[in-house]
Amino acid sequence: GEDVEQSLFLSVREGDSSVINCTYTDSSSTYLYWYKQEPGAGLQLLTYIFSNMDMKQDQRLTVLLNKKDKHLSLRIADTQTGDSAIYFCAESRSARDDKIIFGKGTRLHILP
Amino acid sequence: KAGVTQTPRYLIKTRGQQVTLSCSPISGHRSVSWYQQTPGQGLQFLFEYFSETQRNKGNFPGRFSGRQFSNSRSEMNVSTLELGDSALYLCASSLGNSNTEAFFGQGTRLTVV
Repeated sequence: GEDVEQSLFLSVREGDSSVINCTYTDSSSTYLYWYKQEPGAGLQLLTYIFSNMDMKQDQRLTVLLNKKDKHLSLRIADTQTGDSAIYFCAESRSARDDKIIFGKGTRLHILP
Repeated sequence: KAGVTQTPRYLIKTRGQQVTLSCSPISGHRSVSWYQQTPGQGLQFLFEYFSETQRNKGNFPGRFSGRQFSNSRSEMNVSTLELGDSALYLCASSLGNSNTEAFFGQGTRLTVV
């Protein structure tokens, strides 16, 4: 199947770490992505990871991939109010084209 | 380097009409993909064009079509609009040599009344 699943909501206190989880079904996925969408805006690519990697860190962002369990997570350290957005997990699997399959998105709400 | 440009940003159409949306990819990018975003269905893949050819297609009716020009700009067309076609239509630009970063435009918000 083509399912990418993620929880719909997450609330985190400002300054804490946010962890957004995602599961996917196709073990042939080659690239896994995290996109951010702010209200009224398009999608911003935050980071991506190759399927042969376990972890990728980029400043406050850490991506962990458990290929055996088909589980992807995004950790945002020191969460700020500007991090409030919808975060989409996505995968692409074809070596032939650039089709991306998206999850439904996790709305991150920052508590003061 | 200019980003992905989608025009128009907002559009209101009535049922039964047709609409054409435009996407200009990042310079040098040869692949343009289109996605429909709705609150209920999330982001769904419409189709992808590469070098003026449709390379992949999602599960949408034939009312949804697209094309790509020699300068990589792409248009998508929706004919006989239905209320359910109201959505944010997003275009993604990439190099096209498979599984590379895709950059999205701001989208066109289509409202069908």
